[in-house]
Amino acid sequence: SYELTQPPSVSVSPGQTARITCSGDALPKKFVYWYQQKSGQAPVLVIYEDTKRPSGIPERFSGSSSGTMATLTISGAQVEDEADFYCYSTDTSGDHWVFGGGTKLTVL
Amino acid sequence: EEQLVESGGRLVQPGGSLRLSCAASGFAFANSVMSWVRQGPGKGLEWVSSFGGTTNNTYYADSVKGRFTISRDISKNTLYLQMDSLRAEDTALYYCAKGYCSRTTCYHLQLDLWGRGTVVTVSS
Repeated sequence: SYELTQPPSVSVSPGQTARITCSGDALPKKFVYWYQQKSGQAPVLVIYEDTKRPSGIPERFSGSSSGTMATLTISGAQVEDEADFYCYSTDTSGDHWVFGGGTKLTVL
Repeated sequence: EEQLVESGGRLVQPGGSLRLSCAASGFAFANSVMSWVRQGPGKGLEWVSSFGGTTNNTYYADSVKGRFTISRDISKNTLYLQMDSLRAEDTALYYCAKGYCSRTTCYHLQLDLWGRGTVVTVSS
């Protein structure tokens, strides 16, 4: 079955840039979506179609994708950005959706 | 205001059945693509099943295919997940989520509205 691979954890100091990666064989052909899940809350979409930011999401959140790897970048991370982040995409068939294992972002 | 409210989660024995409901309001439910996503205790998100808006197509993760059935009742603006042959590994918080729809296309992976979830516990 198809898998998306993320690092389990990323840690930065406030104001630094955090980068969270997501790798998968189908990513050259399929979009990635990124979700932020704060403790005890439902997930929130922060990036769609690799690079686009929904309204209401701070500009410090950005996305990129190259080859088999997509990256979520948080420029000038803030304490309130601490959360679990998940990438979400589909296999080459297009009808099986997969989340990455999640990355815990610590900002302190 | 757009809203999704899940219900139906409870303690059930292995091998048992359960039906989850997701009541939708504030948007055009009949045209929407909807998904169930679950999260086991202390674990990550796992896609479970999706329902195509106007196509009525259904999609399932391999882990639930043949055991779970997704459906909807447009007259009640409600999405369902019928869960049969439940296993301990199905224990999770089950979220209902809506995919974004433009005027012409709906996007299964662009989940722009989530409910708060309902807890399913499979244990003897």
